[in-house]
Amino acid sequence: RKEVEQDPGPFNVPEGATVAFNCTYSNSASQSFFWYRQDCRKEPKLLMSVYSSGNEDGRFTAQLNRASQYISLLIRDSKLSDSATYLCVVRSSGTYKYIFGTGTRLKVLA
Amino acid sequence: EAGVTQFPSHSVIEKGQTVTLRCDPISGHDNLYWYRRVMGKEIKFLLHFVKESKQDESGMPNNRFLAERTGGTYSTLKVQPAELEDSGVYFCASSPPGLAGGTDTQYFGPGTRLTVL
Repeated sequence: RKEVEQDPGPFNVPEGATVAFNCTYSNSASQSFFWYRQDCRKEPKLLMSVYSSGNEDGRFTAQLNRASQYISLLIRDSKLSDSATYLCVVRSSGTYKYIFGTGTRLKVLA
Repeated sequence: EAGVTQFPSHSVIEKGQTVTLRCDPISGHDNLYWYRRVMGKEIKFLLHFVKESKQDESGMPNNRFLAERTGGTYSTLKVQPAELEDSGVYFCASSPPGLAGGTDTQYFGPGTRLTVL
C-alpha cells in the first residue's frame, strides 16, 4: 500500500463547477500536509498548506481529518486555468522528506 | 527573489555514460533536496542536505548516484554509469532552516529531464 494515495482522475468538470479531491495517508506520525499544483512539464508549486482547523484561500478550501487520515481539497467556481495535476504531499514528524501522492488530474472544460 | 534553478533542463545520454545535474537553491536556504519522478510513478525523495552535510540519503537508489554540496551552496547529482531505468525528471527543492511553522515548505526547481538511451 502506498503511503499517500490519490485518485489519479482525470476529473473533467465544466467551468464554474465545484470539484473536490481526497487524499489518504497511512503514517499516523505525519505532521505536515500540503497541496501542490503541477502543470504539464513544470515543477510542483505550493497551492496551500493544510492545517487541522482547515484553511481557505479564495476559491480553494483544504481540510485535514487526522482521525481518518485524509486530506481534502475543494475548488469552487472552477476556471480553465485550474486545469493541472494536484499533488497531495505529506511530511512525517522527525523527517524533512516529502511523500507525494501520484496526483489527481483536473481538466476544466469551457 | 530568484527561485531554485537547475541545469541542464534536458539531458540525453547513452547507457553507461555519466551525467551531472546541478541545482542552485534559493539564497539562504540551508535545506536542499533531490527528488525524482520516473514515468507513470509519483515523485520520490532521493536525499536531503543541511548545508554541506547529508542529513538523509534513504531514497538514493544505489551507489551509481552521488550527490555533493560542497560549501553548502549549490549541489550536484552525478549518475555514473547511467542505466535505462534512471530516465525521468530530477527535481531539486530547497527550504529555509528548521521545521518551525511555515518553514518546512519546499520550493521546487524546474527539473532536469534525463533520458538514457
